[in-house]
Amino acid sequence: IAGITQAPTSQILAAGRRMTLRCTQDMRHNAMYWYRQDLGLGLRLIHYSNTAGTTGKGEVPDGYSVSRANTDDFPLTLASAVPSQTSVYFCASSLDRGDEQYFGPGTRLTVT
Amino acid sequence: KNEVEQSPQNLTAQEGEFITINCSYSVGISALHWLQQHPGGGIVSLFMLSSGKKKHGRLIATINIQEKHSSLHITASHPRDSAVYICAVNNNNDMRFGAGTRLTVKP
Repeated sequence: IAGITQAPTSQILAAGRRMTLRCTQDMRHNAMYWYRQDLGLGLRLIHYSNTAGTTGKGEVPDGYSVSRANTDDFPLTLASAVPSQTSVYFCASSLDRGDEQYFGPGTRLTVT
Repeated sequence: KNEVEQSPQNLTAQEGEFITINCSYSVGISALHWLQQHPGGGIVSLFMLSSGKKKHGRLIATINIQEKHSSLHITASHPRDSAVYICAVNNNNDMRFGAGTRLTVKP
């Protein structure tokens, strides 16, 4: 692994289904973030984690949950997907909160 | 009103032209970032600055803290510069993003 990776690259999901988007970094960064990007809007923060074992809510957390069991992984779960969660999701990490962020390649999610 | 406003939303230029993209923000910040997003989606950090000016190759970023304004300049633009350029600010350790400027450089 070099940097930060996300999986899957894209996914079509039926409404009501549960989905976990995966994010892994190998830079030993303390802080990690999940954003969604929608047409005409800037990236919006969903959840963040300052360090392993801690998480916090961002600007648009409803319908999403995260966990940070270790430094490398920061999965994002949609417990029951809805069409408004159709978006491109970016994971990012930084050495510490407030530092320059490094972004994953994104996951394009379509909820039908 | 968004906390971070970019202009223009879309910009088309001919190869070789000098490009300026503007960013204004309304919150207190500790730093401002310029990001580049190519077609296909990957986001790359170009600059992080809290004062003055930074230069990297043909790219120059400036910030005026008093006026809450930053500009990204591209000299001698090239078709490979075609991308979405995103301004983002650090506000209380949270990043606030502009909606982006879509730049197309024609050969």
